[in-house]
Formats: sequence, structure tokens, C-alpha cells
Amino acid sequence: TQLLEQSPQFLSIQEGENLTVYCNSSSVFSSLQWYRQEPGEGPVLLVTVVTGGEVKKLKRLTFQFGDARKDSSLHITAAQPGDTGLYLCAGGLRGNTPLVFGKGTRLSVIA
Amino acid sequence: NAGVMQNPRHLVRRRGQEARLRCSPMKGHSHVYWYRQLPEEGLKFMVYLQKENIIDESGMPKERFSAEFPKEGPSILRIQQVVRGDSAAYFCASSPGRENTGELFFGEGSRLTVL
Repeated sequence: TQLLEQSPQFLSIQEGENLTVYCNSSSVFSSLQWYRQEPGEGPVLLVTVVTGGEVKKLKRLTFQFGDARKDSSLHITAAQPGDTGLYLCAGGLRGNTPLVFGKGTRLSVIA
Repeated sequence: NAGVMQNPRHLVRRRGQEARLRCSPMKGHSHVYWYRQLPEEGLKFMVYLQKENIIDESGMPKERFSAEFPKEGPSILRIQQVVRGDSAAYFCASSPGRENTGELFFGEGSRLTVL
């Protein structure tokens, strides 16, 4: 059973397009992180959200945490080839329990 | 480089041999996590350690796998009598401790291939 479901699994778009990827669960999380992973590398943290309804912006990336803290979305405006990678969401259930990861959305931005 | 350091980056073993993967956490971090990643899969939690203690090993197979984080030196993930199904990328991550919101800082991974 996958605690965090990410969709879509694969996404291929043209440079300049906008996109949204989703991370959903039936569980409530105390915090949620988004990571980006490039081939042959480890995941790199993009953002952490902790408050229901929270919205964070990181240049062209907008992250939202659902009001009930069960889901999150990542929106990219005017995608660029450098955005290509595997986007992983990860949730913390409580305290110092290990993060649970989704399977990721593999994004390819074509120039 | 003050990041999480993992070695070796690539390791090839024959079935039945032992694999040892090492991880040095970021400076000032006392919590270490090991995750396994298969192709087209997310990261699967294996074990969570603090210095000299295993906090949570619920994701680690009961047999052949062990982990330690000694008082001095790196954390080590040890796989005995490897099988082909152990082929994967193994990532180590560290965090500073109780005050954090669960953010993890990952190393570049160790890619194990079992022939």
C-alpha cells in the first residue's frame, strides 16, 4: 500500500508550458516536503510545508499544502529544460518518524 | 564539502558476497536514515539511527541486512550474502535532530549491482 500517491507518474511538456503535479494521501501529515532528483544524484529538498492551506513560492514553483494536511500540489510556471527531473513528495507523520515518500513524477521539459 | 558523503558510489558484487556501504552525515547532524530506491520507484525507508542507537529498523529486511552508526566514524549499511534482488541505489540522509520539521539532506547514493 502506497501511503502517498503522486500523479501523473510521467509528464512530458514543451518549454514554456505550465504544469501541476499532485501528491495525495488519506493520512494527515505534520509536514510535507518536495524534493527533486536528477539522474545519478540524490534527492534535493525544494520546500517544506507544515501548515494546512500554506502556499510557498520558489521562483517559478508554487507549492500548496491542503487544508486538511492530506495532500499537496506543485505548480511550475513557464517550464524550462532545467526543470527536468523526478519530483518526489515526502510526508512526516509525527515527530521524528521517518519520512514516507511517494513514487514521484518524472518530468521532461523539451526545448 | 559539508554535505552527506557516501561511498562507494558504485559497487559490484557477486551473489553470496558482502556489501558494505558507508555514510558520513552532514556536520552537526546526529540522525542518519537509509533508503533504498529501485528503478522507477520512490524511496523506501530502511532504517533510522542516531549515534550508537538504532531508532527504527522497521523497513529493513530481518535477514542479511544490518546497520550501525558508531560513536566515531560513518554509518554503515551491511548486506550479507547478496542476491540479485539487492541491486538498487542506496541513499543515506541526515537531519540535525528533534528541532527539525523532518527535512532530510541526502547523499549522492551508492549503486549496488549484484551479478
